[in-house]
Amino acid sequence: EADIYQTPRYLVIGTGKKITLECSQTMGHDKMYWYQQDPGMELHLIHYSYGVNSTEKGDLSSESTVSRIRTEHFPLTLESARPSHTSQYLCASSDFGTGRHEQYFGPGTRLTVT
Amino acid sequence: DQQVKQNSPSLSVQEGRISILNCDYTNSMFDYFLWYKKYPAEGPTFLISISSIKDKNEDGRFTVFLNKSAKHLSLHIVPSQPGDSAVYFCAASESRASGSARQLTFGSGTQLTVLP
Repeated sequence: EADIYQTPRYLVIGTGKKITLECSQTMGHDKMYWYQQDPGMELHLIHYSYGVNSTEKGDLSSESTVSRIRTEHFPLTLESARPSHTSQYLCASSDFGTGRHEQYFGPGTRLTVT
Repeated sequence: DQQVKQNSPSLSVQEGRISILNCDYTNSMFDYFLWYKKYPAEGPTFLISISSIKDKNEDGRFTVFLNKSAKHLSLHIVPSQPGDSAVYFCAASESRASGSARQLTFGSGTQLTVLP
C-alpha cells in the first residue's frame, strides 16, 4: 500500500499570498512528481524529481517552484498566488528501479485563489 | 496535441454487467500502459498495467487489452459493482526515453457510473 501524504487537503487563499503545498512519502522512492488537474481534464505534469537536489520542469508550464532536499519530501511553492492557479495539485512517487512504471498518488490539495 | 485520448467522458452500466472503457494513443513510442481509478477529492489509485510485449493482462475483475496496431487499449470490468463508480484514467509512458518523456501521459478520464 502506498504511503504518500499531502497537506493541506483544501486551501482557500487570497491573491498575492505565498503558499507551500507539502508532499511526503515513506516508501523511499527516488522519483517524485507534481501534477495539476482541472475537472474533466487530464493530469498535467508540472514538476518532477529523480532524487535529492534534482528537480525538473514538466510539460505544463507553471509559475510554481519545487525543492528536493530530502528523499521523502517534495514541497511545491507559489510565491504569489493568482486566481489562475486555482486547481487540484497531485503529488506522486515511483520507483523505476523495479522496472515498473506505476506512480503512487497522494490525496491531492484542492487550491482556490480568490 | 493530446497523445492519450479517452473519447467517452462518461459511461453508465448496470450492476453485474461488463464495463468497457476505451483509450487511444498516438505516440508509437509508448510501450507501457496503465489504468488508474479516481474518486472525488482523492488521488488516483493504480489499478492495472500492461507492457507492449503483451496483449492482455488480467487481475481479478479487471482485464486490460492492448491492440498495438490500432494504438488502442481497453479496460474490462466484470462484473461491475456500484463501488466501481469513479473516474478512470488511462496513462502511457516510453520506458526507453529520458527526462520528462519517461513520465506518464494521461488521458482526460471517463466517469463510470454503475447503477444498482
